[in-house]
Amino acid sequence: GDSVTQMEGPVTLSEEACLTINCTYTATGYPSLFWYVQYPGEGLQLLLKATKADDKGSNKGFEATYRKETTSFHLEKGSVQVSDSAVYFCALKSRSGYSTLTFGKGTMLLVSP
Amino acid sequence: DADVTQTPRNRITKTGKRIMLECSQTKGHDRMYWYRQDPGLGLRLIYYSFDVKDINKGEISDGYSVSRQAQAKFSLSLESAIPNQTALYFCATSDNTGRGYNEQFFGPGTRLTVL
Repeated sequence: GDSVTQMEGPVTLSEEACLTINCTYTATGYPSLFWYVQYPGEGLQLLLKATKADDKGSNKGFEATYRKETTSFHLEKGSVQVSDSAVYFCALKSRSGYSTLTFGKGTMLLVSP
Repeated sequence: DADVTQTPRNRITKTGKRIMLECSQTKGHDRMYWYRQDPGLGLRLIYYSFDVKDINKGEISDGYSVSRQAQAKFSLSLESAIPNQTALYFCATSDNTGRGYNEQFFGPGTRLTVL
């Protein structure tokens, strides 16, 4: 079945440091890929997405590139802010069967001033 | 006003009690979902519904039931709550445009504690 593997957290960074959160997936065919973010006390919200190989999703300074050859969708940001502290979830939607999302376990990011 | 609302936001109950969590949405979406979130386990799908007459089990449906009362309402019930159902529960919605992706919009969550 489909699965998503993320690096374990927490990831602790100082403000303005570079961020990479690794995400790899297993799925049938070519799924759509997503990053969701959960700020403290809130529900999840879509951060960015990519629907086909080599697509780059971007939003709020975050980027992720759909790499079919390595089945990866790593989240990156060049300079993090304290306000980026949150839990980040990688997810996929398979093109086969029902269009439900499969989520990774989430990675907590803590950014200190 | 929030597009996806959940009630209650917090609930403490005892083992064996029946509990209903409610979700309402004003986004006009056909598809609705219930997830639970546990530390270290991420989000797991409990049930989902693609329209009023469609109900499907997710990854972890045992011990839960749902009701889709209307397009805008999707309720989750625990018929006899047990402590390992203590978790954060999220409702989500999405449209059905079939464009190859379906962004899901999440409610704020219900924190349920079963003693």
